[in-house]
Amino acid sequence: AQKVTQAQTEISVVEKEDVTLDCVYETRDTTYYLFWYKQPPSGELVFLIRRNSFDEQNEISGRYSWNFQKSTSSFNFTITASQVVDSAVYFCALSGFSGGYNKLIFGAGTRLAVHP
Amino acid sequence: ETGVTQTPRHLVMGMTNKKSLKCEQHLGHNAMYWYKQSAKKPLELMFVYNFKEQTENNSVPSRFSPECPNSSHLFLHLHTLQPEDSALYLCASSLTRDSGEAYFGPGTRLTVT
Repeated sequence: AQKVTQAQTEISVVEKEDVTLDCVYETRDTTYYLFWYKQPPSGELVFLIRRNSFDEQNEISGRYSWNFQKSTSSFNFTITASQVVDSAVYFCALSGFSGGYNKLIFGAGTRLAVHP
Repeated sequence: ETGVTQTPRHLVMGMTNKKSLKCEQHLGHNAMYWYKQSAKKPLELMFVYNFKEQTENNSVPSRFSPECPNSSHLFLHLHTLQPEDSALYLCASSLTRDSGEAYFGPGTRLTVT
C-alpha cells in the first residue's frame, strides 16, 4: 500500500523564520516519485518539485530546499526566511509503479501561516 | 496562470439539479484528471483520461459522469448529488499518463443544498 503522512496539521511562524514541513511516505515500489504542491487561498495546487526515487540529492531553489532520505522514507521541505506570501497549505504526494505514476497519493497537508 | 482553467469557480446546486463542470488545458498535455478535495479528507483522485480514453474510475458514484471530448477539454456532469458531495473539484493535466507531474486548475467550489 502507498501512504503519505504529514504529521504537522498547522504551523505558525513569524516572517523571516525558517520552517520545515515534514513528509513521511510508505511504498513497496522501488521506482516512485515524490512531489510537493502549494495551495494558496485561491485554491489551485501549484507544483513545486518532483523527485524520483533514484535521486537522493537534496535540491535548493531560492528560499526552498528539499531533503530526500530513503533510509527514513522522508521528503522534507524547508522554507528559509519565510514570507507572508508563503502562507498556504502544502501537500506532499507520492506516485509509484504499482499504483500508476499518474495516480498521486496526497498527504493531508500542512497549513502554514506566516505572520508579519 | 498554470495553463489549466476551470469554470465555474463557484457553484451552488440543489440535489435535483443537473450541472456540469468544465476544464480546459492549454499545455498540450494528453492526460487529464478530476480530483475531489473535501474538508476532512485528503485529495482523492476520481477519474483519469489518457488520449481521451478513460483509464481509471476510482470507485466514483454514477451521479458523477465525466466526459473528455478531446485532450484539451474535460467535463464532469453532475446529477442528483448529495450534500456530502460538496467539495472543491480540481482538474489537472499531465503530459502523459505516466509523467507524474500534474498541473492543476483553480478548482470549482461546489455546494450542494
